[in-house]
Amino acid sequence: EVQLVESGGGLVQPGGSLRLACAASGFTFSRYWMTWVRQAPGKGLEWVANINKDGSEKNYVDSVKGRFTISRDIAQNSLYLQMSSLRADDTAVFYCARVRTGIRGGDYYYYLDVWGKGTTVTVSS
Amino acid sequence: DTQMTQSPSSLSASVGDRVTITCRASQSISSYLNWYQQRPGKAPKLLIYAASSLQFGVPSRFSGSGSGTDFTLTISSLQPEDFATYYCQQSDSTLWTFGQGTKVEIK
Repeated sequence: EVQLVESGGGLVQPGGSLRLACAASGFTFSRYWMTWVRQAPGKGLEWVANINKDGSEKNYVDSVKGRFTISRDIAQNSLYLQMSSLRADDTAVFYCARVRTGIRGGDYYYYLDVWGKGTTVTVSS
Repeated sequence: DTQMTQSPSSLSASVGDRVTITCRASQSISSYLNWYQQRPGKAPKLLIYAASSLQFGVPSRFSGSGSGTDFTLTISSLQPEDFATYYCQQSDSTLWTFGQGTKVEIK
């Protein structure tokens, strides 16, 4: 069974750090881009970061650049999100998701076909 | 960055109704548009990718269309399990954005 399981969420003070992990199983982890998406309480989905198959390309939403770092460990079949300088507006459920890619007319397209259940991060004093 | 705007933000409909949700991109994204369904307290679920391709296992009452800047998600006959929030997401580049969501409620 294809599965993603997030962990590492919790309560952290403003300015603090936290490392989220996502354990992948049931598929060949190294063949897929991966991504983090978050959802603040009562709000919509926000894409946070993505990483390519070998970890050589990483992209971030502007609001987390310089504070969050996405990484992956192929041997451990795991995705990570290192978060620092956390702010109250980072409070959210964080989901990891598998990215499928396709090619159409020479251009790549991406979609998120498998999601974890999420881990909750609360930034508060 | 490409901004995505969904309309309406919410709608009320009855079982059996045909429902259409619109998503507009701030610039052309070709057909690189995906749709997701999220039920309360659950993770999002992929419905449609590349504007019109139905994800495996998703009922055929769901369909997507559009290209460039204007896209639609249609539910041909609303079922009780379809009451949820729907999000579009652009993947024209490697910097992705979601629409703000459309909540489909029971009339």
